[in-house]
Amino acid sequence: DAKTTQPPSMDCAEGRAANLPCNHSTISGNEYVYWYRQIHSQGPQYIIHGLKNNETNEMASLIITEDRKSSTLILPHATLRDTAVYYCIVLSNDYKLSFGAGTTVTVRA
Amino acid sequence: DTGVSQDPRHKITKRGQNVTFRCDPISEHNRLYWYRQTLGQGPEFLTYFQNEAQLEKSRLLSDRFSAERPKGSFSTLEIQRTEQGDSAMYLCASSVETGRKDTQYFGPGTRLTVL
Repeated sequence: DAKTTQPPSMDCAEGRAANLPCNHSTISGNEYVYWYRQIHSQGPQYIIHGLKNNETNEMASLIITEDRKSSTLILPHATLRDTAVYYCIVLSNDYKLSFGAGTTVTVRA
Repeated sequence: DTGVSQDPRHKITKRGQNVTFRCDPISEHNRLYWYRQTLGQGPEFLTYFQNEAQLEKSRLLSDRFSAERPKGSFSTLEIQRTEQGDSAMYLCASSVETGRKDTQYFGPGTRLTVL
């Protein structure tokens, strides 16, 4: 399974963009990158996923480097409700999500 | 569009008792997953079903744990002879099979406390 590396924590000012990096240097050519977040005591929430191209939805944008060894999740205008643990996951061939420690994002007013 | 639902949301039990949790997936999702999350850790995979077939079980799933998905709809997770180490959040997720990608949607979880 391809492992991911994320910074343990980061702060962001409310209203500013939050850029969350993730390294996945051992990713295989057909493995998707998924991002989830988990707000305290709730179930993980799906944010976005991608394979090769950059992706955008109503929640965030995902930028994947050309060599696919890293990606960045962008929350364009962070709000206090975006405070959560963010997980970057490479989906393995057996479809099991392998959650690491994630990045604890704190949005400050 | 209703999401994944889980029942109960909280369960407190005494050591040695049996407990059963229920998960109702998103309608027409043919895959259903169970994960367990202990305090301060990320969720860990337990088992998954494709329709009614249980395709994989983690080593974490001891013989005290059993999961079923009759008729490929809702699923139950039973823990027999609970131990204090079973205290955790039990999460259910569902997805629809679409080739290599598999977007799993999670329920709110059942928080188990074993006294």
